[in-house]
Formats: sequence, C-alpha cells, structure tokens
Amino acid sequence: KNEVEQSPQNLTAQEGEFITINCSYSVGISALHWLQQHPGGGIVSLFMLSSGKKKHGRLIATINIQEKHSSLHITASHPRDSAVYICAVLFSATPRLLYSGGGADGLTFGKGTHLIIQP
Amino acid sequence: KAGVTQTPRYLIKTRGQQVTLSCSPISGHRSVSWYQQTPGQGLQFLFEYFSETQRNKGNFPGRFSGRQFSNSRSEMNVSTLELGDSALYLCASSLDFTHRWLAGGGSETQYFGPGTRLLVL
Repeated sequence: KNEVEQSPQNLTAQEGEFITINCSYSVGISALHWLQQHPGGGIVSLFMLSSGKKKHGRLIATINIQEKHSSLHITASHPRDSAVYICAVLFSATPRLLYSGGGADGLTFGKGTHLIIQP
Repeated sequence: KAGVTQTPRYLIKTRGQQVTLSCSPISGHRSVSWYQQTPGQGLQFLFEYFSETQRNKGNFPGRFSGRQFSNSRSEMNVSTLELGDSALYLCASSLDFTHRWLAGGGSETQYFGPGTRLLVL
C-alpha cells in the first residue's frame, strides 16, 4: 500500500527556533511536494523535489531517495510560519500506466504537521 | 495573473441532493486536479483532467464525477450526497503537473484554489 507518514503531528516552538518536519513514504516516488495550509484553508505550494535539496528564503527541503525520507526545515521561525505543513508524494508509475491514458496515481498526502510558533 | 478561482466558496446541501462545483484554472493551464479534505481522512486525490479528458482518478465512488471544458474550466459533481461528503473541495491547476513529474524531469508545481466548503445536512 502506498503510504505517507509525517512527524511530528503537532509542534509548538518559540520564535527564532529551527524547525524540522519529517516525511517518510513507502515505495518509489516520482516527486515529493511540500505544502502549507493556513487556518483559512488556502494551500500554497512550497517545494516540489525529486532529489537533493531546495531552498527558498528561510525554508529548506531535502529528500533522501534511498531512505525514502524528506525533511522540511524552517530557520529563524516566526509566528507567521504557524500553519499546517503537508507532505504529498507522486508515486512512480510504470510506463504502461503512464501511457495507457489512466490508472496512474495522483498525489498521496500525509496527515499534516500542525505548527505553532509562539512569539 | 489571476489565480485559481473556485465557486461557490460555501455551500449547504441536504442528503440525497446533488452538487456541482466549479474551478477556473490559471490562464494557460490545461491540467486541473480535484482534492477532498476532511478532518478524518485529510487530503485525498479525486481526479485529474487534462485537455478535457480525465487522466487520473482516485479511489472514490462513482457518485463523484467531473468534466473539463475546452477553456480548461472544470466542474465536479457529487450525486446523492451523503453526510460524509461534507468537506473542503480543492482544485489545483498546472501546465501538466502529473505527466511531467511521472515522466521524469518535472519542474513545475500546482496552484491551489481557495476551495469550496460543502456541508451536507
């Protein structure tokens, strides 16, 4: 079964702390997606990656394909970083599935990490 | 550049009714994906449309259907509503997100709409 596990489920930290959120998945993937969801429900895409590391401002995402694991880091955290962070993966599909016009999986999501940064 | 828009934003229906939700993608985007978010199950993939064709489908019953028009706008329909269909329904648009990443060498992302909150009574 294709599964995505996130940890921790909830995280409360003080402003300025270094934050790490983890995501593990069960089988080979084509891509991993980190998303941010604010209390109003809107979702913003933070990173898409299939290997290595990406950085955008205070956010860093890394992925280890061999270990089937990704981390999202937030440096110098701020109260405005408070949100739910969701990991989603696109599991690899065989060429047959890819070109047969259907059957390939869409994104599979983790349950999310509720992050609260206190001033 | 306008973002992804969804209408209506809020909707209340009763069991047994049907509902149609609309999604207008970013101009130039041909792929529209739909997702359901509930407190219990989290986010789940419903289906993806590309150039008016359903390309991928998640594990949902046949009561959930959709379509895409020639201008890439997409609708999803839920017939015979059940209480468990109460959820936030999100759509996301892209140039060709799934295909490009599955084929290798993908670089693009999806852009999410604000969602439609459906309450079934």
